[in-house]
Amino acid sequence: AAGVIQSPRHLIKEKRETATLKCYPIPRHDTVYWYQQGPGQDPQFLISFYEKMQSDKGSIPDRFSAQQFSDYHSELNMSSLELGDSALYFCASSLVGNLDTQYFGPGTRLTVL
Amino acid sequence: DAKTTQPTSMDCAEGRAANLPCNHSTISGNEYVYWYRQIHSQGPQYIIHGLKNNETNEMASLIITEDRKSSTLILPHATLRDTAVYYCIVRVPLRNDYKLSFGAGTTVTVRA
Repeated sequence: AAGVIQSPRHLIKEKRETATLKCYPIPRHDTVYWYQQGPGQDPQFLISFYEKMQSDKGSIPDRFSAQQFSDYHSELNMSSLELGDSALYFCASSLVGNLDTQYFGPGTRLTVL
Repeated sequence: DAKTTQPTSMDCAEGRAANLPCNHSTISGNEYVYWYRQIHSQGPQYIIHGLKNNETNEMASLIITEDRKSSTLILPHATLRDTAVYYCIVRVPLRNDYKLSFGAGTTVTVRA
């Protein structure tokens, strides 16, 4: 079965640079979630989108923004990168009405030097 | 948010059943219990969920107590590939979607 696709899988950036992470949900899924997992930490919710509208924000820095496009894929834009942004970034998708079980992608490992 | 409490770690022998407990004493009536696992640095993997009845799928069984204040995830025949961090999560309803609040899960090590 098709799964959530994330790209790139690995990304290395310098401080103060910008990064864009992409997420392609499971076909027919209408909701996308972004999570951040720092080294040795548990995943933390950042933001979610339902039908291309932002649903809610968690602990997402103002330097980050995200959107969901008409084809339901989502992009997380990160500006003025800091060393502390180094983490795994997971995208998950779900289908509203299907008990909204979230299925996660393999993640993007962002390293900020 | 309903909080969950899990053991920090547990070992299991390969081929034996692994029983993972979770306490969620403040769970409300319409909140589901979800279990996910994360194998080292991979994306969390959905295992099973339930409301009040026991559930079983190809991966595991979920036993929820009658008062819903605790549950147990059962991996019937643990293999080395089941070594992972297991998260018990009570789903928080949030308008049209449901964010997952990951707490400190249980690190399960399956030994040969």
